[in-house]
Amino acid sequence: SQQGEEDPQALSIQEGENATMNCSYKTSINNLQWYRQNSGRGLVHLILIRSNEREKHSGRLRVTLDTSKKSSSLLITASRAADTASYFCATINQGAQKLVFGQGTRLTINP
Amino acid sequence: GAGVSQSPSNKVTEKGKDVELRCDPISGHTALYWYRQSLGQGLEFLIYFQGNSAPDKSGLPSDRFSAERTGGSVSTLTIQRTQQEDSAVYLCASSFRGREEKLFFGSGTQLSVL
Repeated sequence: SQQGEEDPQALSIQEGENATMNCSYKTSINNLQWYRQNSGRGLVHLILIRSNEREKHSGRLRVTLDTSKKSSSLLITASRAADTASYFCATINQGAQKLVFGQGTRLTINP
Repeated sequence: GAGVSQSPSNKVTEKGKDVELRCDPISGHTALYWYRQSLGQGLEFLIYFQGNSAPDKSGLPSDRFSAERTGGSVSTLTIQRTQQEDSAVYLCASSFRGREEKLFFGSGTQLSVL
């Protein structure tokens, strides 16, 4: 079953611009994670935000979490061509153990 | 090992044959996941192992799918009597302690059923 839903499904921007992706989920969570996938193979963990946190930064990445709206956003600032990838949010429901992924956002950075 | 290792990286099989996909997690990681990803789609949860607990098999799509994890380390995903709709990338991931920790993914096995 899918928990998170990313929006938009696809995003194309110019290099140097900021990219914002959103994730909505349905049930209460312990934490929310963002992953990146290049070339349809293994995913790489980007950032984890816990349910009691509202914002987190890592380099050019900024993640926010609004538990009242059951949503999260991932902001990539000053985008680069190398940021072209698919981005997924993933959640662990309270009381559960498995990590469930959304459908992802395909981000394209145009030079 | 240094990372999660999956083998084979590619597997082509004929409809009706059985296949086995292998995953070597990072040493010391207690949690192990299998996911399936069809072309251009998200990750579909298949099965989750955590330590010595009974695995969460709730994502296995049919009784043709099964998975084992021997000695708390290596895992094998078996698909019996493969069908064309089984064609996908099968991804394995492991984490330390499970639940709250980030997953480390292997590069996946591309399964093609002809």
